[in-house]
Amino acid sequence: GIQVEQSPPDLILQEGANSTLRCNFSDSVNNLQWFHQNPWGQLINLFYIPSGTKQNGRLSATTVATERYSLLYISSSQTTDSGVYFCAVEGGTSYGKLTFGQGTILTVHP
Amino acid sequence: SAVISQKPSRDICQRGTSLTIQCQVDSQVTMMFWYRQQPGQSLTLIATANQGSEATYESGFVIDKFPISRPNLTFSTLTVSNMSPEDSSIYLCSVEGASGEYNEQFFGPGTRLTVL
Repeated sequence: GIQVEQSPPDLILQEGANSTLRCNFSDSVNNLQWFHQNPWGQLINLFYIPSGTKQNGRLSATTVATERYSLLYISSSQTTDSGVYFCAVEGGTSYGKLTFGQGTILTVHP
Repeated sequence: SAVISQKPSRDICQRGTSLTIQCQVDSQVTMMFWYRQQPGQSLTLIATANQGSEATYESGFVIDKFPISRPNLTFSTLTVSNMSPEDSSIYLCSVEGASGEYNEQFFGPGTRLTVL
């Protein structure tokens, strides 16, 4: 099946700093999503981005499907950005089944 | 996007017992899925809940352990049977087909299960 690797596994920032999270995947995808899991376990949809670039406030994401990677940018980080960020992909023949990366644990200190 | 609810939100159970988790969506959706997240781990797909037919299970998951029902396009249940402490996890349902992006998935709030 498709493989998904996220980096870095852990990231510690001071409030106000910028960061880039990376997601590499091993095959073509129909779907790629970025999620933020808050401390209560809820998965929050950040981006649906199988290709191209999107922005939402301080967050933006870019997926280069031909090179099989996606990047999530967080600017001017806040303590509320802390949590786990997951990249998940649906492979070309997976019909809705998402494969998740191992996540990046982000900690933002005041 | 759809509003997804799960019941119970958390439970503590004794080994050897079974727990049924409910997932309710406020609109009809084409596809529903069940995932497991073991402590400190990522999410793993358990099965696709098919409306009107048997669920489709992923490798490593079997119907006897995780029976699933999907009686209509807005509701599904997952049962964790004959539980052991290794079943302690967050169980999440997800839906597809509930937004303008046709295969974007949204997740319920999860059921946090502890087995003693």
